[in-house]
Amino acid sequence: KQEVTQIPAALSVPEGENLVLNCSFTDSAIYNLQWFRQDPGKGLTSLLLIQSSQREQTSGRLNASLDKSSGRSTLYIAASQPGDSATYLCAVLDTGRRALTFGSGTRLQVQP
Amino acid sequence: NAGVTQTPKFQVLKTGQSMTLQCAQDMNHEYMSWYRQDPGMGLRLIHYSVGAGITDQGEVPNGYNVSRSTTEDFPLRLLSAAPSQTSVYFCASSFRDRGRRTGELFFGEGSRLTVL
Repeated sequence: KQEVTQIPAALSVPEGENLVLNCSFTDSAIYNLQWFRQDPGKGLTSLLLIQSSQREQTSGRLNASLDKSSGRSTLYIAASQPGDSATYLCAVLDTGRRALTFGSGTRLQVQP
Repeated sequence: NAGVTQTPKFQVLKTGQSMTLQCAQDMNHEYMSWYRQDPGMGLRLIHYSVGAGITDQGEVPNGYNVSRSTTEDFPLRLLSAAPSQTSVYFCASSFRDRGRRTGELFFGEGSRLTVL
């Protein structure tokens, strides 16, 4: 059974810092990996999608990498802003494209 | 573009009552799914569908039923609500075979259910 772990569970940084969120998964047979953002009381917003054949994806100040063989992904946020404060979740899709397995998330607080 | 729409946003039930959470998407996605989100447990898959007329169980299906009569709609039914079903429920959809967009999941805003 696929298991996804995110470290750290919570993170507080001053505005302007670059930061890295970590995600690891136990079964490397994945179709893709997604990073989501969730604001309190809201749904999930897709940030980046990395297909299993890709190594990284970038969107603005966000960069996500994928090392499928070692079962790891990182989300890099450059020049963090208070508006980046949210919970960030990673999830992996199985090769049958049927089920997404989520990590428990990293709760990020960016201090002004 | 509405995306994924869930109703109701909030609901309070008594133990033993039944209800249906509605989910509709207007993106012509083949894949639809229901998740529940509980503190400390993350999101867990309840049921999913890969197309109209096809449904299957996820990780935590007990106490829930689904059907998929159209591409757009995927309702989740609670047959006899229990306090353990108090949670936030999310519906999500995606393409199943669309190149690099395959599997990119779009979520509704969630339905917060309390069972007394």
